[in-house]
Amino acid sequence: TQLLEQSPQFLSIQEGENLTVYCNSSSVFSSLQWYRQEPGEGPVLLVTVVTGGEVKKLKRLTFQFGDARKDSSLHITAAQPGDTGLYLCAGPSGTYKYIFGTGTRLKVLA
Amino acid sequence: EAGVAQSPRYKIIEKRQSVAFWCNPISGHATLYWYQQILGQGPKLLIQFQNNGVVDDSQLPKDRFSAERLKGVDSTLKIQPAKLEDSAVYLCASSVIPGLAGETETQYFGPGTRLLVL
Repeated sequence: TQLLEQSPQFLSIQEGENLTVYCNSSSVFSSLQWYRQEPGEGPVLLVTVVTGGEVKKLKRLTFQFGDARKDSSLHITAAQPGDTGLYLCAGPSGTYKYIFGTGTRLKVLA
Repeated sequence: EAGVAQSPRYKIIEKRQSVAFWCNPISGHATLYWYQQILGQGPKLLIQFQNNGVVDDSQLPKDRFSAERLKGVDSTLKIQPAKLEDSAVYLCASSVIPGLAGETETQYFGPGTRLLVL
């Protein structure tokens, strides 16, 4: 059974701080996706990483896919209150089907 | 382009009652998903449709949950009878078939229906 474990589960930081969120599995994934979900809304796709060792940047967010394609990380530089939300990783598990990670709830205090 | 629409946004019912949720996916999206998201957790897939056929319903509690997508467009998810542990957000998502018109595998989620079972 494929599982995606995320850490930490909760994170509360001050505006301007840096942080890293991790997504780990014992299974190999062909790709991994990262979503952000704000309260009362559905998840929104941030990025898809497809190559082992790949690094993608989206403004202050840096995503990395592990060399073995079993893990991924999301690093936020100089966090802002607008970054607050639930961060989810997801990996393919069948035909156009995805499993989601356990989630990291981030709160950035002004 | 209009997003995925869901209704109602909130529903409060008592246990053993029935409830139905509705989803209208993005126009042209062949694949439709229903997820259950317990507070603070990641979404769990309940059922996946490709057009009007079921691709995967292995995690759908079929003794109480049912879903249909009769014309391959909008879909309904029903719970009958509801239990306390069904309290969750029910998310609908849709996607195109990857490869068509250059699309990658991206799911677009609706805002969800928040269900509270008392």
